[in-house]
Amino acid sequence: AQSVTQPDIHITVSEGASLELRCNYSYGATPYLFWYVQSPGQGLQLLLKYFSGDTLVQGIKGFEAEFKRSQSSFNLRKPSVHWSDAAEYFCAVGSTTSGTYKYIFGTGTRLKVLA
Amino acid sequence: GAGVSQSPSNKVTEKGKDVELRCDPISGHTALYWYRQSLGQGLEFLIYFQGNSAPDKSGLPSDRFSAERTGGSVSTLTIQRTQQEDSAVYLCASRQALSTDTQYFGPGTRLTVL
Repeated sequence: AQSVTQPDIHITVSEGASLELRCNYSYGATPYLFWYVQSPGQGLQLLLKYFSGDTLVQGIKGFEAEFKRSQSSFNLRKPSVHWSDAAEYFCAVGSTTSGTYKYIFGTGTRLKVLA
Repeated sequence: GAGVSQSPSNKVTEKGKDVELRCDPISGHTALYWYRQSLGQGLEFLIYFQGNSAPDKSGLPSDRFSAERTGGSVSTLTIQRTQQEDSAVYLCASRQALSTDTQYFGPGTRLTVL
């Protein structure tokens, strides 16, 4: 069965420091991969997505992610974190099961940014 | 243009009561999803509507949960005889027809069952 694992429940970084959020997936075929951000009291906003092609994907707000098939990973990175990046981040896999296109989400990583 | 909207934003109810949660997707989006987000958990898929096809209800946790989508637009998620474990944030999302299109989320309805 398809699954998504985000091994870090909480991460704390200082403002200006680099960030990497980990995501590992289990999926039999080439996956569609997504990263979403959820600010407190808000819905989810798409940061970036990977379908095919270049394995390094650029997103909004200065985020990027790299698809590594050999490691079944799709880690999110940002070179310099801003205080406004404090939020919860979700990795997701899109897959078709029994004719239905569904998204499977990880349990999220909550990012805290220190001033 | 307007995004996905949900109402109410907050709902407090007593155990055993029925509740209805509403989702207005982005105009023209044929795919609509409902998710449940419990504290400290990821998003749990509940139900999926795609155009005029029969909905995929495989994620509904019990027969107390049901949903409909009228005219291919507005959707209502109904929870009958609410239980305390139903307390969660219920998120709706919509997407255009293709699986490669972006899924847009509403702000959610926070349901509290006392």
